[in-house]
Amino acid sequence: DADVTQTPRNRITKTGKRIMLECSQTKGHDRMYWYRQDPGLGLRLIYYSFDVKDINKGEISDGYSVSRQAQAKFSLSLESAIPNQTALYFCATSETSGYSYNEQFFGPGTRLTVL
Amino acid sequence: SQKIEQNSEALNIQEGKTATLTCNYTNYSPAYLQWYRQDPGRGPVFLLLIRENEKEKRKERLKVTFDTTLKQSLFHITASQPADSATYLCALPGRTGGFKTIFGAGTRLFVKA
Repeated sequence: DADVTQTPRNRITKTGKRIMLECSQTKGHDRMYWYRQDPGLGLRLIYYSFDVKDINKGEISDGYSVSRQAQAKFSLSLESAIPNQTALYFCATSETSGYSYNEQFFGPGTRLTVL
Repeated sequence: SQKIEQNSEALNIQEGKTATLTCNYTNYSPAYLQWYRQDPGRGPVFLLLIRENEKEKRKERLKVTFDTTLKQSLFHITASQPADSATYLCALPGRTGGFKTIFGAGTRLFVKA
């Protein structure tokens, strides 16, 4: 089984709808991240969490919110989806160890289309 | 702010040749640099990390160099194979720390048989 899973894998929604993307991991990592990827722009950080009680905004958090339900679960919500949120979304995890150089482990991604 | 530049044009090479990809960065002196591979429709996969005090790192057919004076890393794949066709991303730690990672947009590599 995959170490980092994301659901759904594909989602088509309409402008104004609220949707949630879910991420689960079995790696036992404390750190979890949400990125979006757009052609030519690379991966951009939306939110990150270093433990269940720690949530931080990334560079493009506007229009998004997150919830860290447990060490293994980190969900991303779009409160009112808009077409420019159409993108590929990735969840990632990394270790907390002081010897870690923050190697990130990515999920398979969710392709979101907002009409 | 930090900026990472990777060649946006795809690199096309013949099987068996060496592929060389470039990552340039500005406004920053990172303690390390990472390279990831991403296949279409899939998440990136970590390949190699090189620290600021290392000039070169090798892993099987992969070689990474890190020139902190030029602010550049080169990623080489020797004896390239069609299976090496993918997008390769360069990544640096965020300047403000906190274990954030900044990713380049990646360079697409096509290896022709």
